[in-house]
Amino acid sequence: SQQGEEDPQALSIQEGENATMNCSYKTSINNLQWYRQNSGRGLVHLILIRSNEREKHSGRLRVTLDTSKKSSSLLITASRAADTASYFCATPRGGFKTIFGAGTRLFVKA
Amino acid sequence: SAVISQKPSRDICQRGTSLTIQCQVDSQVTMMFWYRQQPGQSLTLIATANQGSEATYESGFVIDKFPISRPNLTFSTLTVSNMSPEDSSIYLCSAETGVASGANVLTFGAGSRLTVL
Repeated sequence: SQQGEEDPQALSIQEGENATMNCSYKTSINNLQWYRQNSGRGLVHLILIRSNEREKHSGRLRVTLDTSKKSSSLLITASRAADTASYFCATPRGGFKTIFGAGTRLFVKA
Repeated sequence: SAVISQKPSRDICQRGTSLTIQCQVDSQVTMMFWYRQQPGQSLTLIATANQGSEATYESGFVIDKFPISRPNLTFSTLTVSNMSPEDSSIYLCSAETGVASGANVLTFGAGSRLTVL
């Protein structure tokens, strides 16, 4: 079963704009991850944020985590057409399993 | 980081047949996971495969339908048995390739897209 819900389900923006995706989860976690999936491909790990962190940056990515609200956001700044993909948040369950959210489909128009 | 090769990348199968998906990792890994992803949907965990023990299946998935092998630390197979059109999905192999302070980072294969007629 899925742990998280993401919104929006789909997002269409122009190249150069920022894209923000949100993820909510249900149980207490010690970390949250974001993955990207290009169409028809496997997932690629983007960034991990631990429960004692509120914000983390990696290149054009910024992730926030609010454990009191059980939510996270992924911001992609200055988006490019190559950022077109589905983005999933992922949380641990049972110590070693990883459960994925519903995903946000991002389309960046050139 | 590790590289995972998964095959077949896609296949079209007849109802009632079985298909085995192979997953090869270029380094030794302890834990491997199989996921299913239906078109436009998120990933659902099928089972966890550890070398030397039977796979652990998630609710809704059973060994008779999805037998898994894990003969060594670099290889695993998933068989989809007695297929029906409802089994048409992308099947993804993944391995835990990064552990930092208890966080399990996964590397994925490219997926196997199965269409059952």
